[in-house]
Amino acid sequence: ILNVEQSPQSLHVQEGDSTNFTCSFPSSNFYALHWYRWETAKSPEALFVMTLNGDEKKKGRISATLNTKEGYSYLYIKGSQPEDSATYLCAFRGNEKLTFGTGTRLTIIP
Amino acid sequence: ETGVTQSPTHLIKTRGQQVTLRCSSQSGHNTVSWYQQALGQGPQFIFQYYREEENGRGNFPPRFSGLQFPNYSSELNVNALELDDSALYLCASSLDLVYGYTFGSGTRLTVV
Repeated sequence: ILNVEQSPQSLHVQEGDSTNFTCSFPSSNFYALHWYRWETAKSPEALFVMTLNGDEKKKGRISATLNTKEGYSYLYIKGSQPEDSATYLCAFRGNEKLTFGTGTRLTIIP
Repeated sequence: ETGVTQSPTHLIKTRGQQVTLRCSSQSGHNTVSWYQQALGQGPQFIFQYYREEENGRGNFPPRFSGLQFPNYSSELNVNALELDDSALYLCASSLDLVYGYTFGSGTRLTVV
């Protein structure tokens, strides 16, 4: 059974502050690491698909890094805004399927 | 792009009944996966279809079955419903997993 863990489970951040959270995954049989943002009552939205050790990806104020040798990825949000409130899911791909973590629920306090 | 649409959005069924959930993939996507998300958990992989053939399955019993049609739309069938089957069922399609999945907004199934 693959273990994909995300921490923290939930997070409250003041508007304007920066934050980050972690996804840890198996370091063997790595193919890709996905990040998704899931807002309440909407569909999960793909943020990043990362495949190479040392990868860094950026989308606006959100960025992610990947370390496949030690099995972790960080997601960073710079200058948090209310619209960043969502659950952030990571998913490990070792073969044809994705194994998801339980997510980090981020709430931005205005 | 029309995105991924799922139907119905909500459903209530009685224990022991059968249910069929439907998913229309994003145009051009030939891979579809189904996930179950129970309360407090991340989405759990049920199975995946690629060009009408099942090419991956998670730890779900055989009463969870599926189909993918020539237009790449898909169905998830669950027989002999149990109370623990109550969950949000997500469908996701992809052309190539390099690009990630496009998800539908899910079907909320309640078994009573």
